[in-house]
Amino acid sequence: AQSVTQLDSHVSVSEGTPVLLRCNYSSSYSPSLFWYVQHPNKGLQLLLKYTSAATLVKGINGFEAEFKKSETSFHLTKPSAHMSDAAEYFCVVSDLRTGNQFYFGTGTSLTVIP
Amino acid sequence: EPEVTQTPSHQVTQMGQEVILRCVPISNHLYFYWYRQILGQKVEFLVSFYNNEISEKSEIFDDQFSVERPDGSNFTLKIRSTKLEDSAMYFCASSEQSGETDTQYFGPGTRLTVL
Repeated sequence: AQSVTQLDSHVSVSEGTPVLLRCNYSSSYSPSLFWYVQHPNKGLQLLLKYTSAATLVKGINGFEAEFKKSETSFHLTKPSAHMSDAAEYFCVVSDLRTGNQFYFGTGTSLTVIP
Repeated sequence: EPEVTQTPSHQVTQMGQEVILRCVPISNHLYFYWYRQILGQKVEFLVSFYNNEISEKSEIFDDQFSVERPDGSNFTLKIRSTKLEDSAMYFCASSEQSGETDTQYFGPGTRLTVL
């Protein structure tokens, strides 16, 4: 069965320091993996996605994520946090069996301290 | 940039009442979805819709739920007789194509509160 585990429900970083949001997945097939961000009162916005091409994926706003099959991980990183990065982040998995059913993690709330 | 919109942003209803949640998907998208998130829980898939038919649905999507595309732009989720446990945030999404690699674009959600 497909599942996603976001290891931290809340992460707090200082502005200008690196961000690491952790995600582990479970999938019986080659997965597609996504990171979405949700700012207050806004929709879920796609940050980046992995679909079996390059394992290091670059997204919007300076975020990137690396697909590591051996570790079943897809952690989201950014070298330097900005105040505007404060939001809820969701890791999502889908695969050939689930098709267009997305499976979400529980989300990680990122706080950026000035 | 095109976006998915949802109305209302917040709906309060009495248990047993019918509610209709509305969504306007991105105009050239052909595949539509509803998800929900009960407070403190994961976002869960409810249903996908294509060519005026349900293509997939989850166990949550029972006979109390229905979806419809009443015209060329709206996509609705109806809950016939709401229960307390239907209180959740409901997200609509749309995509150009269908499949595990295709990006789904989400709306801001409708918060449904059942009293």
